[in-house]
Amino acid sequence: GNSVTQMEGPVTLSEEAFLTINCTYTATGYPSLFWYVQYPGEGLQLLLKATKADDKGSNKGFEATYRKETTSFHLEKGSVQVSDSAVYFCALKGSARQLTFGSGTQLTVLP
Amino acid sequence: EADIYQTPRYLVIGTGKKITLECSQTMGHDKMYWYQQDPGMELHLIHYSYGVNSTEKGDLSSESTVSRIRTEHFPLTLESARPSHTSQYLCASGPGYNEQFFGPGTRLTVL
Repeated sequence: GNSVTQMEGPVTLSEEAFLTINCTYTATGYPSLFWYVQYPGEGLQLLLKATKADDKGSNKGFEATYRKETTSFHLEKGSVQVSDSAVYFCALKGSARQLTFGSGTQLTVLP
Repeated sequence: EADIYQTPRYLVIGTGKKITLECSQTMGHDKMYWYQQDPGMELHLIHYSYGVNSTEKGDLSSESTVSRIRTEHFPLTLESARPSHTSQYLCASGPGYNEQFFGPGTRLTVL
């Protein structure tokens, strides 16, 4: 079946640091890949997505590239802000009709 | 901004009570979902619906039930609440099988 493995947290960074959150997946065929973000006290929001190999999704300074050869979709941001503190979820949509989510990575950015 | 609403946002209730968690969306989405989010933040799909009068159980066994009588409404009911039901419940909807829009969640505590 499908599965998503995320880098374990929590991750704590200083403001303006570089962020990488690793995500690898297992799926048959050609899944679509997503990053969702959950701010404190809220539901999840779609942050970015990529639907085919080598696609780069980007939004709000975050980027992730769909790498089929390494089955990865790592999230990066060049300079994090305090307001980026949240939980980040990697997810995939494969042949099944439901999304498969990773376990989430808590990010805290200190001023 | 997605228009998906959940009520109540917080609920504290005694063991044995019957409760209904409300979820409504104004986007006309056919697909709707209920997730249970544990303290470690992991999401577990407990119910989903692909249209009116269509409901299915998700990956995580749950003692709750759902109904889908109207497109916009997808309530979740617990006939007899127990402390093991204490959790965060997230409702989501989507126009297809890819992107999902999440509500703010209901945090349930059963004493």
